Amino acid sequence: DAGVIQSPRHEVTEMGQEVTLRCKPISGHNSLFWYRQTMMRGLELLIYFNNNVPIDDSGMPEDRFSAKMPNASFSTLKIQPSEPRDSAVYFCASSSRGQDEQYFGPGTRLTVT
Amino acid sequence: AQTVTQSQPEMSVQEAETVTLSCTYDTSENNYYLFWYKQPPSRQMILVIRQEAYKQQNATENRFSVNFQKAAKSFSLKISDSQLGDTAMYFCACRTNFGNEKLTFGTGTRLTIIP
Repeated sequence: DAGVIQSPRHEVTEMGQEVTLRCKPISGHNSLFWYRQTMMRGLELLIYFNNNVPIDDSGMPEDRFSAKMPNASFSTLKIQPSEPRDSAVYFCASSSRGQDEQYFGPGTRLTVT
Repeated sequence: AQTVTQSQPEMSVQEAETVTLSCTYDTSENNYYLFWYKQPPSRQMILVIRQEAYKQQNATENRFSVNFQKAAKSFSLKISDSQLGDTAMYFCACRTNFGNEKLTFGTGTRLTIIP
């Protein structure tokens, strides 16, 4: 199994630009999670989907952030417009029904200048 | 809401020694899961060990074991015969058994194994 796949691994962009992060969960997993890691706030959940439906988006910072899961094998996290304070590592994770643990992707390091 | 507290920002230990990382948590749920994740310099989040709250027996995975004290809401991780590859950030996390599946993480402990 290839594990959770995220792209890009690194993204550097200028303030005001649109950024799209991508995630492919492990095949057969029905829950997908987006986490953000910063020095100030640590690891925090942004949003998670179950069977492609958003269940908890209370962690999404503001309207500049949006996430979609058009099918079971793909999800995007979009930031528009990006700001320097969005600089962080963004992780995608997935899990399957009846499974306790979540499997994390390698993360995307986003730098907004 | 759940909270997870790791009070040791950094620790170091000599190779081959035993080290214990502390974690306390708070949740209003009776059924929940606890996890320790390892994040080496590669940044990858790796599951080390998990514990189900309704199981009294402490979980063990090779050199890693936990001391789960449900009444005290404490969940410490013991690493025996520490190896250089154990150098990493270690995060304690909690999730409930019902409804919301999200993980709530502690702030992490940076562990350095000294050769």
